[in-house]
Amino acid sequence: SSELTQDPAVSVALGQTVRITCLGDSLRSFYASWYQQKPGQAPIIIIYDKNNRPSGIPDRFSGSSSGTTASLTITGAQAEDEADYYCHSRDSSAFAVFGGGTKLTVL
Amino acid sequence: VQLVQSGAEVKKPGASVRVSCKASGYTFTGYYIHWVRQAPGQGLEWVGWINPNSGGSNYAQKFQGRVAMTRDTSISTAYMELSRLRSDDTAVYYCATWGTRGFDYWGQGTLVTVSS
Repeated sequence: SSELTQDPAVSVALGQTVRITCLGDSLRSFYASWYQQKPGQAPIIIIYDKNNRPSGIPDRFSGSSSGTTASLTITGAQAEDEADYYCHSRDSSAFAVFGGGTKLTVL
Repeated sequence: VQLVQSGAEVKKPGASVRVSCKASGYTFTGYYIHWVRQAPGQGLEWVGWINPNSGGSNYAQKFQGRVAMTRDTSISTAYMELSRLRSDDTAVYYCATWGTRGFDYWGQGTLVTVSS
């Protein structure tokens, strides 16, 4: 399958921890990466190769993976973390496949 | 690193559109450029890539036969042309470099509107 499935929306109280998940068969073979997109902006990469952060990305963002599930965890969510989050992976039939995206609301 | 895309376009169904992506701040031929689109209120969809060094390209199956990606190394610019446009091609089209981390750098996006 070349699909990655994400929950459409998740909410978290300010300062609490939230996990955003991504399910797909391709995750057995390929690492997931995660992108954050705020309204009117291009996405930015926040996690790559399962659990690596580019410079400048706060360490409250972390990634993990097990079997067909990849997860993005935000430990101590901040107001500025409110955004859409997309998982991405390779696939045997396509170079890139994205999840449908999760809208994170920080309460 | 900067990727600057061409401006918004409005096209009629059946027409073609060409979007440009001018790169600066790095060696243009050193990194593949990908195109990703996003329909209004929807998620990200990969369209394809071009190798600026060789000119080789690869497209998502959904777009094969309708998309062509080219480049002009003399001006560090990549192009994506989509033909036989339909209303569901209305989207923001992004170019992005593929580096060691993934889609490292993105253009600002180009809105293509297909409407009669």
